[in-house]
Amino acid sequence: SQQGEEDPQALSIQEGENATMNCSYKTSINNLQWYRQNSGRGLVHLILIRSNEREKHSGRLRVTLDTSKKSSSLLITASRAADTASYFCATDALGVTASKLTFGTGTRLQVTL
Amino acid sequence: DGGITQSPKYLFRKEGQNVTLSCEQNLNHDAMYWYRQDPGQGLRLIYYSQIVNDFQKGDIAEGYSVSREKKESFPLTVTSAQKNPTAFYLCASSISRRQSTDTQYFGPGTRLTVL
Repeated sequence: SQQGEEDPQALSIQEGENATMNCSYKTSINNLQWYRQNSGRGLVHLILIRSNEREKHSGRLRVTLDTSKKSSSLLITASRAADTASYFCATDALGVTASKLTFGTGTRLQVTL
Repeated sequence: DGGITQSPKYLFRKEGQNVTLSCEQNLNHDAMYWYRQDPGQGLRLIYYSQIVNDFQKGDIAEGYSVSREKKESFPLTVTSAQKNPTAFYLCASSISRRQSTDTQYFGPGTRLTVL
């Protein structure tokens, strides 16, 4: 079953603008990760935030986590055309012994010039 | 170069045929995974393996089989029992199942089409 649900499903912005996408999940987690997928390609890991962290930065990426609301957001600042891709959140459920991730349905981001 | 390779990139199969998708990694990772992705959808876990000669069913294992005879290799067979096999298949690996902060490294995928 899909634990994570991203919102919005699709997002179109102009280069230079900020892009924000959200992820909601259902069960308690160890950590939450964000991945990027270019069209027809494999996924690439972007950033991981642990359940005891509230915010994390990596370059132009900012991730927040609110465990009380079971939600996370990914902010891409000063977007570029090269950021055009689908973005997925993935959760590592609390109590699961294997490194088993559950992926959300993704947000398709289109950045236009 | 270190990484994960999948072959072939595109695969066509007639109904009723079994087909095997290859996945090889040279990252020395213990854990390997197979996912299925349908258009506009997220990833669904088919099978995963945490160590050589051991594997577990994921959420949608019916109609699929795997083997893990070598650490580097985790082939997936799509059998004729899989009702709707047309999809994009992704293989991934991670360092160790014991680390809850594992990130997964993905191959480029195989697009399977049943004719």
